[in-house]
Amino acid sequence: DTAVSQTPKYLVTQMGNDKSIKCEQNLGHDTMYWYKQDSKKFLKIMFSYNNKELIINETVPNRFSPKSPDKAHLNLHINSLELGDSAVYFCASSRGTGMGSPLHFGNGTRLTVT
Amino acid sequence: EDQVTQSPEALRLQEGESSSLNCSYTVSGLRGLFWYRQDPGKGPEFLFTLYSAGEEKEKERLKATLTKKESFLHITAPKPEDSATYLCAVNEIQGAQKLVFGQGTRLTINP
Repeated sequence: DTAVSQTPKYLVTQMGNDKSIKCEQNLGHDTMYWYKQDSKKFLKIMFSYNNKELIINETVPNRFSPKSPDKAHLNLHINSLELGDSAVYFCASSRGTGMGSPLHFGNGTRLTVT
Repeated sequence: EDQVTQSPEALRLQEGESSSLNCSYTVSGLRGLFWYRQDPGKGPEFLFTLYSAGEEKEKERLKATLTKKESFLHITAPKPEDSATYLCAVNEIQGAQKLVFGQGTRLTINP
């Protein structure tokens, strides 16, 4: 009964490949996020969707494309992977966009590009 | 751009030895300061939200406080299970949650 689940947990791939990470939440939340945690452990927001609408789109390469088929799912597709894309990617969700709703994070997907 | 700086980067304590973690922030307007706990191989787990200077919140051995420029996470009589990385974050925009995180403090409690 994991609240925010991501698949896969580990992803090892070669430069130039295209890959996807899936995220699902069963909390009934309507806002979902993608964060990237780099080697120095900084967490940085990439995207946020509210009711399937993109509301935050940070300065990330357009090789990264989020897709939200419904409120419970937010997937991340990455084209033409590069070495610098290696990181841990976290999905999160919250009830609404207000300050009173904390983010619930998944356990991350560790992406390694060789 | 909002910035969040946490200190120290790492802290080792003996079980029962109380201490505090610091989170300094610069924001154009505070829209919430958040504390999270992150265990190895896991996602951050929410602890507290603070909204205004002077506010305090407690949970078991943890107490978070907030001033206009910084927040402290006080840990009283810690146990080994309190070992984790503690992350501080501020919300950068109005009408949505765009969290800016600090680099975290890695806390180790020795038995």
